[in-house]
Amino acid sequence: GAVVSQHPSWVICKSGTSVKIECRSLDFQATTMFWYRQFPKQSLMLMATSNEGSKATYEQGVEKDKFLINHASLTLSTLTVTSAHPEDSSFYICSATPAAGLNTEAFFGQGTRLTVV
Amino acid sequence: DAKTTQPPSMDCAEGRAANLPCNHSTISGNEYVYWYRQIHSQGPQYIIHGLKNNETNEMASLIITEDRKSSTLILPHATLRDTAVYYCIVRPEHSGGYQKVTFGTGTKLQVIP
Repeated sequence: GAVVSQHPSWVICKSGTSVKIECRSLDFQATTMFWYRQFPKQSLMLMATSNEGSKATYEQGVEKDKFLINHASLTLSTLTVTSAHPEDSSFYICSATPAAGLNTEAFFGQGTRLTVV
Repeated sequence: DAKTTQPPSMDCAEGRAANLPCNHSTISGNEYVYWYRQIHSQGPQYIIHGLKNNETNEMASLIITEDRKSSTLILPHATLRDTAVYYCIVRPEHSGGYQKVTFGTGTKLQVIP
């Protein structure tokens, strides 16, 4: 099946610094990718929709200036957590679906565990 | 997307069938039933989906009631590796790569040795 890869799998950063997370579709092109955040013992919450070649669409309550999304190519979207604080510590997950044809399931990355100290 | 209701947790003995229910009484005619699962500290994994008819693949079977208001995911021979949170989602089918998934709280399945 299609593969979506995230990098890094985990990262620890100091409060006030920025962290970039990459999401790649390895064997297909994706015009749209999605970014989710998951806090411990909670479900995945959609943060934003990443659109290739255009601005991302953010869900209500998600600060677009804090969570910068860039979708510069059909196989790569990046999420940058700017000026990270301990409350941003979470599990970040991306998903994508092949752009061509009628594909019904979404493919998810393995997730990135962010810890801000 | 229509709302779904799932039990928060279930146990299943290893080797036995795991039957996970889902209620989706407000499902629309063009909405499919999807199941994903999330093993601890991993990204979600697609399992199966269906519209009206029962479906089976190498992972599981999906039984949808005739009125489509509920469904059951069946893992025929549960193993310890099937311990995960299982999410039932209803949504229209999309083409062109737009597959936003809205997750509920899911069912935490614990497979017991």
